[in-house]
Amino acid sequence: SQWGEENLQALSIQEGEDVTMNCSYKTYTTVVHWYRQDSGRGPALIILIRSNEREKRSGRLRATLDTSSQSSSLSITAAQCEDTAVYFCATEETGNTGKLIFGLGTTLQVQP
Amino acid sequence: GGIITQTPKFLIGQEGQKLTLKCQQNFNHDTMYWYRQDSGKGLRLIYYSITENDLQKGDLSEGYDASREKKSSFSLTVTSAQKNEMAVFLCASSIVTGGGYEQYFGPGTRLTVL
Repeated sequence: SQWGEENLQALSIQEGEDVTMNCSYKTYTTVVHWYRQDSGRGPALIILIRSNEREKRSGRLRATLDTSSQSSSLSITAAQCEDTAVYFCATEETGNTGKLIFGLGTTLQVQP
Repeated sequence: GGIITQTPKFLIGQEGQKLTLKCQQNFNHDTMYWYRQDSGKGLRLIYYSITENDLQKGDLSEGYDASREKKSSFSLTVTSAQKNEMAVFLCASSIVTGGGYEQYFGPGTRLTVL
């Protein structure tokens, strides 16, 4: 498997809290995609981080990538109820095939 | 903006039946993908196509066929549905293959085999 077991998680937090989701991967990649999937819908890209970027921010989202430890994280600051979703990380297979290898996902529930 | 349409939204079949799922995109993207999503698992790639009439096998291609007759459409066939099979099939497209480009997903087709 591409992913460590810690990639499958369920988290429940209160609105306003910060949360961090982690992914570790086994094979080399130059890009990590983070997608969110709302119930009944397909995944949607929320942030993409490349190997030459250690950190990337988008609004309340912050992604990190550590190629030496082959791990990535996604943090949400001051979570809102609408952040409730399943969050997936995905690495891109080398060789320019475009193939994404998805982790198992983290189910995040933000309680009001 | 564009949209990916998948039909049908729900598909119920019988064991051994051949079932076809359809996907249309109006992004004018070159590359299209079919993924399978099982409960508690991530998405797994079944087939992808980098251009019209091209087909490339993914990690889960056994038991499936695909067809890319037009740039805008990509079909997936379950060649012999397995009893008690339940999964969501997701179609996606991207402007190019690889290079860190976003994949845009459709809403999925939920398959149930009785």
